[in-house]
Amino acid sequence: QKEVEQDPGPLSVPEGAIVSLNCTYSNSAFQYFMWYRQYSRKGPELLMYTYSSGNKEDGRFTAQVDKSSKYISLFIRDSQPSDSATYLCAMSEDGTASKLTFGTGTRLQVTL
Amino acid sequence: DTGVSQNPRHKITKRGQNVTFRCDPISEHNRLYWYRQTLGQGPEFLTYFQNEAQLEKSRLLSDRFSAERPKGSFSTLEIQRTEQGDSAMYLCASSSYFGSQYFGPGTRLTVL
Repeated sequence: QKEVEQDPGPLSVPEGAIVSLNCTYSNSAFQYFMWYRQYSRKGPELLMYTYSSGNKEDGRFTAQVDKSSKYISLFIRDSQPSDSATYLCAMSEDGTASKLTFGTGTRLQVTL
Repeated sequence: DTGVSQNPRHKITKRGQNVTFRCDPISEHNRLYWYRQTLGQGPEFLTYFQNEAQLEKSRLLSDRFSAERPKGSFSTLEIQRTEQGDSAMYLCASSSYFGSQYFGPGTRLTVL
């Protein structure tokens, strides 16, 4: 069993929809949680960084962490075709985030 | 701030040859990381440096792999006697001590 599980998709939604992306994890030592966006043949781009359980909002993006359930989510409001990419969750045990453990990524397609 | 750069962007080699990749981090970042990503998977941690010291290596990093960061600035990743299973995207990231990791565009390696 992988430490971090993520549905690979693909997930197809119409423009304007609310998108929900999720990861579960088994390692209770994970304390820091990140979401990256990766366009095809590019490096991952940091979207959100969270530490505590609860919600964190940044523009159209909201990251949610539930440590008791070992479950994290990323919500995208008013999705746009430019949001079409692979979304990777990543986690770290320590505050300096020295080693990240990634999920497999969920491929998202936002259609017109 | 020009971001993390990696060279070459693509490398095609024959099985058994040695290859070397270079990563130039964001200038003020003292930490540098190497990851490997295969198709349909998230990045997997290989190793990381704080300044010139290599602080952690993954079990994935076989004896054929070696990484250096001689002056605490750029880093090189060498793969000796390449195998077809080494074909992947090799990603470099950098961060400050408590900061988030920012990724470069990656070097795509194809071993024939």
